[in-house]
Amino acid sequence: GDSVTQMEGPVTLSEEAFLTINCTYTATGYPSLFWYVQYPGEGLQLLLKATKADDKGSNKGFEATYRKETTSFHLEKGSVQVSDSAVYFCALWNFNKFYFGSGTKLNVKP
Amino acid sequence: NAGVTQTPKFQVLKTGQSMTLQCAQDMNHEYMSWYRQDPGMGLRLIHYSVGAGITDQGEVPNGYNVSRSTTEDFPLRLLSAAPSQTSVYFCASSPSRGQAPYGYTFGSGTRLTVV
Repeated sequence: GDSVTQMEGPVTLSEEAFLTINCTYTATGYPSLFWYVQYPGEGLQLLLKATKADDKGSNKGFEATYRKETTSFHLEKGSVQVSDSAVYFCALWNFNKFYFGSGTKLNVKP
Repeated sequence: NAGVTQTPKFQVLKTGQSMTLQCAQDMNHEYMSWYRQDPGMGLRLIHYSVGAGITDQGEVPNGYNVSRSTTEDFPLRLLSAAPSQTSVYFCASSPSRGQAPYGYTFGSGTRLTVV
């Protein structure tokens, strides 16, 4: 069945460092791919999305490119801030169902 | 503020007790769903509803009941709590099931501990 695998955390970075959180997926057909972010004590919020191969989703300095050949949707940001500390979830939507990864906790230190 | 409201935020239950987790939205969304979030396992779908009076099972429905008597409310019932149901529960809604990827709104969660 469909599934999402993302790198385990926590990931600890210094402010202004480059961020990559890896995400790979298994799916039939043509899924849409998403990154959600969960700040402490809050629910998940949509960060960015891509609906077809080679699409690049972007928001708040974060980017991810839908790579069908490598079945990946890695999240990147060029310069992280302390306020980016949160848990990041990769997800796919296929045949009216969401499949979420296990989440990666990001800690950014000043 | 418009959104999804979950109550309570925290709850401790004894094994065998029953309780209802409340979820309410004021956005007139047709599609509502319940997820549980466990360490290392991401979010898993428990039950969902595509409109008032219509519910269906998700990936992990055992031990949970739901009903949808109004568009606004989608309560989740634990009939006889078990330690395996210790988790964080999220309610989410969207205008329709097909629009979930583009307009999914999550509540802030209920942290449930069963002892």
